[in-house]
Amino acid sequence: GDSVTQMEGPVTLSEEAFLTINCTYTATGYPSLFWYVQYPGEGLQLLLKATKADDKGSNKGFEATYRKETTSFHLEKGSVQVSDSAVYFCALSQYNFNKFYFGSGTKLNVKP
Amino acid sequence: NAGVTQTPKFRVLKTGQSMTLLCAQDMNHEYMYWYRQDPGMGLRLIHYSVGEGTTAKGEVPDGYNVSRLKKQNFLLGLESAAPSQTSVYFCATQDSGQGGYEQFFGPGTRLTVL
Repeated sequence: GDSVTQMEGPVTLSEEAFLTINCTYTATGYPSLFWYVQYPGEGLQLLLKATKADDKGSNKGFEATYRKETTSFHLEKGSVQVSDSAVYFCALSQYNFNKFYFGSGTKLNVKP
Repeated sequence: NAGVTQTPKFRVLKTGQSMTLLCAQDMNHEYMYWYRQDPGMGLRLIHYSVGEGTTAKGEVPDGYNVSRLKKQNFLLGLESAAPSQTSVYFCATQDSGQGGYEQFFGPGTRLTVL
């Protein structure tokens, strides 16, 4: 079945460091891929998405590229801020299906 | 425009008690979902609905029931709460079942079962 695997956290970085959070997926066909962010005490909110191979999603300085050949959708940011401290979830959904498959989440701590 | 709201925000139950969690949305979305979030396990789908009057089981449905009598509301019930149901519960909505559509989440309900 479909699934998403994320790198385990927590990830601790200093402010202005480069961020990569790895995400790989298993799915048939051509799923859409998403990154969600969850700030403390809040629900999940969409950070970015990509709906087909080689698409790059971007938002708030974060980027992720849909790589079908490596079944990956790694999240990157060139310079993290303390305010980026949160839990990040990778997810996929299939065309014409009504379910999402979420990874287990990666907690990011950014220190000043 | 409130988006997705959940009631209550916090609740403490004793084992064997019952309760209902309410999810309400004003986005006119067809699809609604209930997830539970436990440490290190991400989100697990409990039940979902693809339209008013319809419900379906997700990954972890045991011990829960749901109802979607109105399009804008999705209720999650616990008939006899158990400590294993201590969790944070999230409701989500989606405009369409087609790929590429994002899910919108409520703020969550933190439930503790003693």
